[in-house]
Amino acid sequence: DVKVTQSSRYLVKRTGEKVFLECVQDMDHENMFWYRQDPGLGLRLIYFSYDVKMKEKGDIPEGYSVSREKKERFSLILESASTNQTSMYLCASRTSTDTQYFGPGTRLTVL
Amino acid sequence: EDKVVQSPLSLVVHEGDTVTLNCSYEVTNFRSLLWYKQEKKAPTFLFMLTSSGIEKKSGRLSSILDKKELFSILNITATQTGDSAIYLCAVGKAGGTSYGKLTFGQGTILTVHP
Repeated sequence: DVKVTQSSRYLVKRTGEKVFLECVQDMDHENMFWYRQDPGLGLRLIYFSYDVKMKEKGDIPEGYSVSREKKERFSLILESASTNQTSMYLCASRTSTDTQYFGPGTRLTVL
Repeated sequence: EDKVVQSPLSLVVHEGDTVTLNCSYEVTNFRSLLWYKQEKKAPTFLFMLTSSGIEKKSGRLSSILDKKELFSILNITATQTGDSAIYLCAVGKAGGTSYGKLTFGQGTILTVHP
């Protein structure tokens, strides 16, 4: 079974703080993705990575950056958290087909 | 711009009812359509469809794709309260620069009452 884990289920941060969200997969997948999910908007792609140290912007990259130093680990960084970044953050890892498997999600609240 | 639209956005039924969820898409270089179920946590994979007219089935859930009319349906028969969830549709594209990205619809919120 594919296993994707995320570092925190719930996180509360203050405006202006730097926030790190970490995702780890155990299936040696090359492609990993970060989404945010907001009511009525579905899943929106923030960034993705197709190999170690390789990254591409998704549809809503503003205010975010990512890091992929090892194949199994993909981090999402909020350089200076803002209240409009309060959301559910989902990480996914892709098999050789189009199927993506998701981590449990991190619900981030920025006060 | 790629677009995936699900309907209805929400649906309330009673146990035992049959429901049909719709997903229409407009994408260039279509390759696959996926359905996910999301309860109070991460989306879990249900089906991937790549060919028109071939039904995929798992228990009470089934899905079919129409590549000519650009839509898919997800059927759930004899619904149970455990089917209450958000159902997400996503489309994958072919092409070397797609990197397996998926475009998601807004989701359909299904509520099944006892």
